[in-house]
Amino acid sequence: RKEVEQDPGPFNVPEGATVAFNCTYSNSASQSFFWYRQDCRKEPKLLMSVYSSGNEDGRFTAQLNRASQYISLLIRDSKLSDSATYLCVVIRGSGGYQKVTFGTGTKLQVIP
Amino acid sequence: NAGVTQTPKFQVLKTGQSMTLQCAQDMNHNSMYWYRQDPGMGLRLIYYSASEGTTDKGEVPNGYNVSRLNKREFSLRLESAAPSQTSVYFCASSERLHLTRQGATGELFFGEGSRLTVL
Repeated sequence: RKEVEQDPGPFNVPEGATVAFNCTYSNSASQSFFWYRQDCRKEPKLLMSVYSSGNEDGRFTAQLNRASQYISLLIRDSKLSDSATYLCVVIRGSGGYQKVTFGTGTKLQVIP
Repeated sequence: NAGVTQTPKFQVLKTGQSMTLQCAQDMNHNSMYWYRQDPGMGLRLIYYSASEGTTDKGEVPNGYNVSRLNKREFSLRLESAAPSQTSVYFCASSERLHLTRQGATGELFFGEGSRLTVL
């Protein structure tokens, strides 16, 4: 089983729709969680951190469910510019090196 | 703002050839990383450097070597390229290793990527 799993999609949604992605992780010792965005043929960029209490940044909401070991990303009022691949990132470990594991990404296509 | 700059952006090699990917960051970050990205595999860590003067293996180090030349620069070398090394390579940097204490952002800053094809 992969340490971090995401539905690759693609998710094709109309402009204005709400869409949600989940990401599951297998190691309960995982400590930190993030969502990155990667545009086609570009480098990944940090979208937002995921806090235990949930956090919101404009149209984006991230949540963590430690009991079920998944994180989610909700995008409201989708824009064409939201079309991208969304990477889930999970960090575990302590001391000198924390293992960073990237999911394979979920592709979102927002349709006019 | 240059951020993380990596070169070359594209390269085609023949099996057995060698090459070096260069990476430089101007954010005064301590930690630097080399990843490869393959379809269906996600980003995988090849090597990392926690600070100037140190390097360590990541998940997939075989076939690669690295040099942390100074705080700014971290190069990745393929001594004898193989078709399995066809990939997109990303250099990244962060202020520090991804500490999990409150306040750590976990933010990695990536270069634009280097697309390598080994024939």
